[in-house]
Amino acid sequence: GESVGLHLPTLSVQEGDNSIINCAYSNSASDYFIWYKQESGKGPQFIIDIRSNMDKRQGQRVTVLLNKTVKHLSLQIAATQPGDSAVYFCADPGVTGGGNKLTFGTGTQLKVEL
Amino acid sequence: NAGVMQNPRHLVRRRGQEARLRCSPMKGHSHVYWYRQLPEEGLKFMVYLQKENIIDESGMPKERFSAEFPKEGPSILRIQQVVRGDSAAYFCASSADRVSQPQHFGDGTRLSIL
Repeated sequence: GESVGLHLPTLSVQEGDNSIINCAYSNSASDYFIWYKQESGKGPQFIIDIRSNMDKRQGQRVTVLLNKTVKHLSLQIAATQPGDSAVYFCADPGVTGGGNKLTFGTGTQLKVEL
Repeated sequence: NAGVMQNPRHLVRRRGQEARLRCSPMKGHSHVYWYRQLPEEGLKFMVYLQKENIIDESGMPKERFSAEFPKEGPSILRIQQVVRGDSAAYFCASSADRVSQPQHFGDGTRLSIL
């Protein structure tokens, strides 16, 4: 079945450093991926997405890389700030049922140290 | 621009009572999704609805749980005869159409069962 997993449960970085959060997926037919940020007590907030016809997509301070060969994607946050502290999830809408069922990984807790 | 609105934010019920969770999608969105999140875990898909129709309920427990999205009013997730294991955060997301991504999330309802 489909699964989306995170490599590390917790990532600690110094303020100003770059952060890299990794995610592996198992379904080679998956063609769309989303990164969400979830702060304590809140719902997931969309950060950036990428389709399988792309290897890289950049946003404001964030970059997502997709390696379809090894079924891996990563979220890079430049100049990490205290406000970036949150749990980050990669999500896959899947290909069954029209791709509406988001499958989330367990998440990576990003802690920014001052 | 109101986002996805969920209420109540916190709900406490005793075992055996009924819990009703409400979700108003973003303006212009007619597709609603419900997810459940246990502590320290990612979100798990429960059900996908359009106005007056259940499209995919493959993540819903077979008993005690039901969902609706009437022609008028919010979507309702109903849990009958609640048990301690129902304690979780329940999130609602909405999208403009079946393939439109990403889904936008509300801040959830925290359900606690005494």
